[in-house]
Amino acid sequence: DTEVTQTPKHLVMGMTNKKSLKCEQHMGHRAMYWYKQKAKKPPELMFVYSYEKLSINESVPSRFSPECPNSSLLNLHLHALQPEDSALYLCASSQDFTPAGTTDTQYFGPGTRLTVL
Amino acid sequence: AQKVTQAQTEISVVEKEDVTLDCVYETRDTTYYLFWYKQPPSGELVFLIRRNSFDEQNEISGRYSWNFQKSTSSFNFTITASQVVDSAVYFCALSEGNTGFQKLVFGTGTRLLVSP
Repeated sequence: DTEVTQTPKHLVMGMTNKKSLKCEQHMGHRAMYWYKQKAKKPPELMFVYSYEKLSINESVPSRFSPECPNSSLLNLHLHALQPEDSALYLCASSQDFTPAGTTDTQYFGPGTRLTVL
Repeated sequence: AQKVTQAQTEISVVEKEDVTLDCVYETRDTTYYLFWYKQPPSGELVFLIRRNSFDEQNEISGRYSWNFQKSTSSFNFTITASQVVDSAVYFCALSEGNTGFQKLVFGTGTRLLVSP
């Protein structure tokens, strides 16, 4: 079962609002990712958590705040966003530790379509 | 530096036609992995295949087939007898190394439109 779930599916927020995106996986994966995807563009990596620790932050503005409460959950807290932050936010997970000679495939959730007014 | 090029921005075909999506990559590593993902209008990225740099065997899965050629740094994807449900954006991606989590480098994607 390769399922990653994300809530909500759609979110509309004002620039002064605080909201959170949620991601969950039950595949026993130890790496979780947040991507941002603008229309007609490929996904852009934002953050990577490995074993519940932030391992990569791709110079993302502080108005985006990730959190990994446990190995199955990943949140993205949003505050004081700008209209240009409107995008599809994708969560992914992967096994992380793999035997030598194999690789780590990322499985994606359905995404949250965010609109900032 | 790693780079993935998908030169075809958009392809339109009629149902039952065969279609090939091109992917050319650049990397300095000898160990790397190539992926194809499908993104239908709903938005989810669906994993289709991965291939490691040491395995140049072509792969077939139903109507899908992949042609990996290290000599030309290409990993092309062919859909045989296309169907309307194949309409989506297809991304080719590259990662390096073979342990731990991976950073994916995506191509810009090819939008495939299959009309009845």
